[in-house]
Amino acid sequence: DADVTQTPRNRITKTGKRIMLECSQTKGHDRMYWYRQDPGLGLRLIYYSFDVKDINKGEISDGYSVSRQAQAKFSLSLESAIPNQTALYFCATSDRLNNQPQHFGDGTRLSIL
Amino acid sequence: AQSVAQPEDQVNVAEGNPLTVKCTYSVSGNPYLFWYVQYPNRGLQFLLKYITGDNLVKGSYGFEAEFNKSQTSFHLKKPSALVSDSALYFCAVRDRGTDKLIFGTGTRLQVFP
Repeated sequence: DADVTQTPRNRITKTGKRIMLECSQTKGHDRMYWYRQDPGLGLRLIYYSFDVKDINKGEISDGYSVSRQAQAKFSLSLESAIPNQTALYFCATSDRLNNQPQHFGDGTRLSIL
Repeated sequence: AQSVAQPEDQVNVAEGNPLTVKCTYSVSGNPYLFWYVQYPNRGLQFLLKYITGDNLVKGSYGFEAEFNKSQTSFHLKKPSALVSDSALYFCAVRDRGTDKLIFGTGTRLQVFP
């Protein structure tokens, strides 16, 4: 979905490095999410934000932090990357109206050596 | 706690045959259910949702899903499969207290010519 853009698309880095994944959207949605996808585990929520001043932890937030710089931008940081954070990361957005579907970016494939 | 289960890791079907991808859910109260599809190197795309109303929900690309409250199921169906339907399919339930989605582990659909 070109309306939700994730950068970079691929990243290889070393253990201990700080990494930032960026997400921007042109859909005008208030709500933004970060998920990670691992084979056999589906998608798990890391952090979510209902507006610029509202940020919440998801089910697997340890080792991650986020920043909502503007309505359209939501960044995910790994302060000190470790190999088990190797995964596919997705950003998603949704409208504030209840029960609207989430719209996903194409993901960032992150490998930590 | 709310959850969804996708009991099949993979479903194989011949092109032109009907397909079913299974999903069962566990929620308190009325469920809000979603199906998403993921093609290679892409993010998840919304297919359809059940919020209330008719038990048979029609969605994108000719897919439909049947909500069955007594069996707590929300199976995805298509009358005639296409090779291009081959992808990874996710069932999800919306947490009623927030807009968070809880995903199943995914089912890989393989349609053979």
